[in-house]
Amino acid sequence: EAGVAQSPRYKIIEKRQSVAFWCNPISGHATLYWYQQILGQGPKLLIQFQNNGVVDDSQLPKDRFSAERLKGVDSTLKIQPAKLEDSAVYLCASSLAGEEEKLFFGSGTQLSVL
Amino acid sequence: QKEVEQDPGPLSVPEGAIVSLNCTYSNSAFQYFMWYRQYSRKGPELLMYTYSSGNKEDGRFTAQVDKSSKYISLFIRDSQPSDSATYLCAIDDYKLSFGAGTTVTVRA
Repeated sequence: EAGVAQSPRYKIIEKRQSVAFWCNPISGHATLYWYQQILGQGPKLLIQFQNNGVVDDSQLPKDRFSAERLKGVDSTLKIQPAKLEDSAVYLCASSLAGEEEKLFFGSGTQLSVL
Repeated sequence: QKEVEQDPGPLSVPEGAIVSLNCTYSNSAFQYFMWYRQYSRKGPELLMYTYSSGNKEDGRFTAQVDKSSKYISLFIRDSQPSDSATYLCAIDDYKLSFGAGTTVTVRA
């Protein structure tokens, strides 16, 4: 079974630039999540999708972050414009509907904002 | 107050030792408790999952939940160098809240 795919693995940008991350969840997983993990901290949920719809985006900084999940499969997370404090690993995860405690994570995208 | 607090570590133990990891949580209504393992430059992977109080054992790993004290633990017996990783506790309150993680190094 293929795992959660994320790209790119690494990204270095300057502040005020924009960046986008892509995620392909495990086939059949209805729920998709984007997490932000700052060095030395646990993952923090940014947004949760159930199929195409947003379930929770309460911690997403909506003035600069946006996310979409077209056709209920792949998802893209965008930051525009980036700030220094956005430097983190951005993790995508997926789960079966009704099993939201059992997340499967991708390897993440390491973002450095200079 | 954070929903879940985790001992920061890091921990360094010799091979074969017992590793003990702990977290406390704030809301007594939480029912689902998880431990995730995260290797360097990888995403977390689910290690143990428990519902309500009690113990759960899986090979060398034992998860304990004490709801009266709002305390969860993970024990690793006969630790191996391959157990070297960051261990994250998590609680499920309609969304997962993670602890900060404890980095464990098992010395050969």
